[in-house]
Amino acid sequence: GDSVTQMEGPVTLSEEAFLTINCTYTATGYPSLFWYVQYPGEGLQLLLKATKADDKGSNKGFEATYRKETTSFHLEKGSVQVSDSAVYFCALTPNYGGATNKLIFGTGTLLAVQP
Amino acid sequence: SQTIHQWPATLVQPVGSPLSLECTVEGTSNPNLYWYRQAAGRGLQLLFYSVGIGQISSEVPQNLSASRPQDRQFILSSKKLLLSDSGFYLCAWSVGTGWVNGYTFGSGTRLTVV
Repeated sequence: GDSVTQMEGPVTLSEEAFLTINCTYTATGYPSLFWYVQYPGEGLQLLLKATKADDKGSNKGFEATYRKETTSFHLEKGSVQVSDSAVYFCALTPNYGGATNKLIFGTGTLLAVQP
Repeated sequence: SQTIHQWPATLVQPVGSPLSLECTVEGTSNPNLYWYRQAAGRGLQLLFYSVGIGQISSEVPQNLSASRPQDRQFILSSKKLLLSDSGFYLCAWSVGTGWVNGYTFGSGTRLTVV
């Protein structure tokens, strides 16, 4: 079945460091891919998305490119800030199944940025 | 604009007590609605989804049930809570398939069963 695999956390970085959180997926056809962010004590917010191969999603300095050849959607940021500390979830929706498309999540990666 | 409301934000309940969590959506019609649970240190598990009034699909067998009495209202219930029901419960909605825009999540309810 469809699934998402994320790198294990926690990821601990110093402020202004470069961030990569790996995400790979298994899916039939051409899923849409998403990154969600969960700040402490809060719900999930959509960070960025990509709906077809080679699309690049970007938001708040974060980027991820939909790579069909490697089935990956790695999250990157050139210079992290303390305020980026959160749990990051990679997710996909299959492009079949009609109105019941389900958002399938990875297990989440905790990012801790130290000043 | 569309908004999603979940309440309560925090809940502490004894084992064996009933549960009712409510989620409402504003600013959209005929949304698809979802209940997710996030157990401590774990990822997100889809519990229920609904594509219309009275239409509920369950993803995993469990101690919980869901109902959709109105188009924009989704309720998560239990007759008798178990310790294993503790977790962070998130309601979400999408319009259409969610394939293009993903889901919009509520702020969540943190449930502790004691």
